[in-house]
Amino acid sequence: QVLLQDSGPRLVQPSETLSLTCTVSGRSFSLYHWSWIRQAPGKGLEWIAYISDSGITEYNPSLNSRLTISVDSSKRLFSLKLSSVTPADTAVYYCAKGGVSHYARGYFDHWGQGILVTVSS
Amino acid sequence: DIQMTQSPSSLSASVGDRVTITCRASQDVITRLAWYQQKPGKAPKFLIYGASSLQSGVPSRFSGSGSGTDFTLTISSLQPEDFATYYCQQSYSFPFTFGPGTKVDIK
Repeated sequence: QVLLQDSGPRLVQPSETLSLTCTVSGRSFSLYHWSWIRQAPGKGLEWIAYISDSGITEYNPSLNSRLTISVDSSKRLFSLKLSSVTPADTAVYYCAKGGVSHYARGYFDHWGQGILVTVSS
Repeated sequence: DIQMTQSPSSLSASVGDRVTITCRASQDVITRLAWYQQKPGKAPKFLIYGASSLQSGVPSRFSGSGSGTDFTLTISSLQPEDFATYYCQQSYSFPFTFGPGTKVDIK
């Protein structure tokens, strides 16, 4: 069983950088693919960033220039930074685990509990 | 980007009903399609991958079908715990994209 725990500040000031961490416990960490997904209040799911077991990254083009995803396998965690936030970035942010194989990288079989981040002054 | 649409956006059904949700991709995603169930205040739950493969532990009343651009999720006999919102998602290419969701509520 794999458990994901997302953490970070729940209130961020406009124009600042949102920083979140997902700590993973359970089975092997370095075999898997990792993503961040967000959900604005009352809205649907939006995939925003991905990192592979070898450190390859992909970002949602709608946010690309503001996003950074990174991984620290020794600490079994991966992180997200979103810069220059606005109230439109207010959402529940989920970390999620993809499968082992390349084709399963986008199948999110385990999720963190989600963290509501509010952008407001 | 591959756009995902779902129909209907919501439906009302009774326990025991057969429910079918449709998902359409704006371009061919072969069978790189997943389905998720989400209940209020909870993280989504992974139900189906590869368009038709049931994730371990998911009840067999859930099934998926389709390939290319057209997919369906079927619940053969709706149970009280199945009232939720369902999302499809393509994993064929980046950016991964989700459908807008189908809310299943009690008639």
